[in-house]
Amino acid sequence: GAGVSQTPSNKVTEKGKYVELRCDPISGHTALYWYRQSLGQGPEFLIYFQGTGAADDSGLPNDRFFAVRPEGSVSTLKIQRTERGDSAVYLCASSFSGWTEAFFGQGTRLTVV
Amino acid sequence: AQTVTQSQPEMSVQEAETVTLSCTYDTSESDYYLFWYKQPPSRQMILVIRQEAYKQQNATENRFSVNFQKAAKSFSLKISDSQLGDAAMYFCAYRSGQDSNYQLIWGAGTKLIIKP
Repeated sequence: GAGVSQTPSNKVTEKGKYVELRCDPISGHTALYWYRQSLGQGPEFLIYFQGTGAADDSGLPNDRFFAVRPEGSVSTLKIQRTERGDSAVYLCASSFSGWTEAFFGQGTRLTVV
Repeated sequence: AQTVTQSQPEMSVQEAETVTLSCTYDTSESDYYLFWYKQPPSRQMILVIRQEAYKQQNATENRFSVNFQKAAKSFSLKISDSQLGDAAMYFCAYRSGQDSNYQLIWGAGTKLIIKP
């Protein structure tokens, strides 16, 4: 596609449930990033992929969060046992390489009730 | 650790006027990059302008320009001839120049209101 696509756009889930958030990067982009943006704040880095491997996962807050990118294209952010504090907009970005401009998707707004 | 501070939660400007958004950062690195991003209600972050720390010349992109003061660790954004479409959240961001450290560190943002 022409841009970074994130699905779903909005997700409401109950506390304790498992959720998956999907990111389709721009075709040909090898670098992919996930950020979390809580209400009224700037984004916080979660994880960076170069190809299929997680080159930097230092931003994942705890072991309930996990992300994969099995074929070096689509990525899925997985959150287990969701908590109300996980409510945020989850942003995905991709770039041709780690040094080039990152293009962002429109995010997934996750609400945990 | 690096930090980015935006001290103006909200700014307003009359259409066609000029406005300056402030950003300060803290780092011990000498090689880094600074960015201004715009986030409209659609939530999509859009790159406005980028500055390499090793460049003394301030970056400009049409109506957008920066005042980069490396010694003061200041990186302000000036928007000239403000337009209604400029209304959005603006975020300042920092990225290390170290190889393999590509994460962006963000400020809390400034909401820009354009008065018609």
